[in-house]
Amino acid sequence: AQTVTQSQPEMSVQEAETVTLSCTYDTSESNYYLFWYKQPPSRQMILVIRQEAYKQQNATENRFSVNFQKAAKSFSLKISDSQLGDTAMYFCAFVRIQGAQKLVFGQGTRLTINP
Amino acid sequence: NAGVTQTPKFRILKIGQSMTLQCTQDMNHNYMYWYRQDPGMGLKLIYYSVGAGITDKGEVPNGYNVSRSTTEDFPLRLELAAPSQTSVYFCASRYQGLNQPQHFGDGTRLSIL
Repeated sequence: AQTVTQSQPEMSVQEAETVTLSCTYDTSESNYYLFWYKQPPSRQMILVIRQEAYKQQNATENRFSVNFQKAAKSFSLKISDSQLGDTAMYFCAFVRIQGAQKLVFGQGTRLTINP
Repeated sequence: NAGVTQTPKFRILKIGQSMTLQCTQDMNHNYMYWYRQDPGMGLKLIYYSVGAGITDKGEVPNGYNVSRSTTEDFPLRLELAAPSQTSVYFCASRYQGLNQPQHFGDGTRLSIL
């Protein structure tokens, strides 16, 4: 079974700073996807960024980028020039390519951006 | 674009009562999922469906039932509500195929007292 671990329950940074959220996972699969989801106080689950395991290049989406280390089974999220609107819970998630592609989530990191 | 719609948004039940959480999507997605999110935790999969008439258990199915009679609808049934089922419930859907993300509804906050 796959597991996803986020070792930072809470983080806090000042606006405009850069912050990195950690995620590690355990799997015997060779092909899979990894995701970061954002959950603001409104409770919506918003897809931030995704990475395909067979791609060497790290994914980027505007101020959001990942550091994907397949051998180490590590998938960290970097938020550059952080904004107040980035305040949210962030969840790392894993999904196998085969089958119904059921998401396995980490426990989450509560990120607070301070003015 | 309605996307994934969940009703109700909030509900309080008494122990032993039953209810159905509704989920409908208008994107013609084959795959649908039900998750629960306990306080301070990530989401855990309850049930999922890969198409009309096909459902299967996820990680935490006990105490729940589902049906999928149409592509659009995927209701979640609680037969005998228990305090351990107090949680936020999310429905999600996605297209069949590789690299298709799941689209989530806004969640239903359920309290069992």
